[in-house]
Amino acid sequence: DAGITQSPRHKVTETGTPVTLRCHQTENHRYMYWYRQDPGHGLRLIHYSYGVKDTDKGEVSDGYSVSRSKTEDFLLTLESATSSQTSVYFCAIKGGGGEAFFGQGTRLTVV
Amino acid sequence: SQQGEEDPQALSIQEGENATMNCSYKTSINNLQWYRQNSGRGLVHLILIRSNEREKHSGRLRVTLDTSKKSSSLLITASRAADTASYFCATDDSGNTPLVFGKGTRLSVIA
Repeated sequence: DAGITQSPRHKVTETGTPVTLRCHQTENHRYMYWYRQDPGHGLRLIHYSYGVKDTDKGEVSDGYSVSRSKTEDFLLTLESATSSQTSVYFCAIKGGGGEAFFGQGTRLTVV
Repeated sequence: SQQGEEDPQALSIQEGENATMNCSYKTSINNLQWYRQNSGRGLVHLILIRSNEREKHSGRLRVTLDTSKKSSSLLITASRAADTASYFCATDDSGNTPLVFGKGTRLSVIA
């Protein structure tokens, strides 16, 4: 898994609560990404980072924020969770050759 | 919006047969990649083909790229039950931009 760890792996939360998902890498790669995966939609980019404190929005960024204070950690926060944010969330890093390496995913359920 | 679109959405074959999946994309690319996802797991990088390449092989995998038609195909020869998974194509337009994924092809290989 190329040294990428996501936590938690599973979470159930209530509507309206904030939730933070963590991605930790041991590879010292500059580029990190958060995707969500939903049936019928494949993977969609939420936010990405190209360095410490450098982040940008992806295709489906509404309701999400990110932070990257250290190279190894990229946090995804759902500011006020909604049922539409029930999904599987994947973190990825981009290697020097352009290929992506993914974490195992976080299954989030908002009830 | 999705850059790549895989075809077919689902494919079921017998063990030993070849499996072919296609990917079409919309804009110019830097490279095109294929990934596999086993149920409940993260995506795993299979093969990368650059925009100036036309064909690439890796073991039982053969990838072709036709930039004039904005399409790629992934051929898995002599399929095995263990090849059962979802397969995604992904593109970027430079080494610094995020990968954009298609919705995937679900392959079932029946023993």
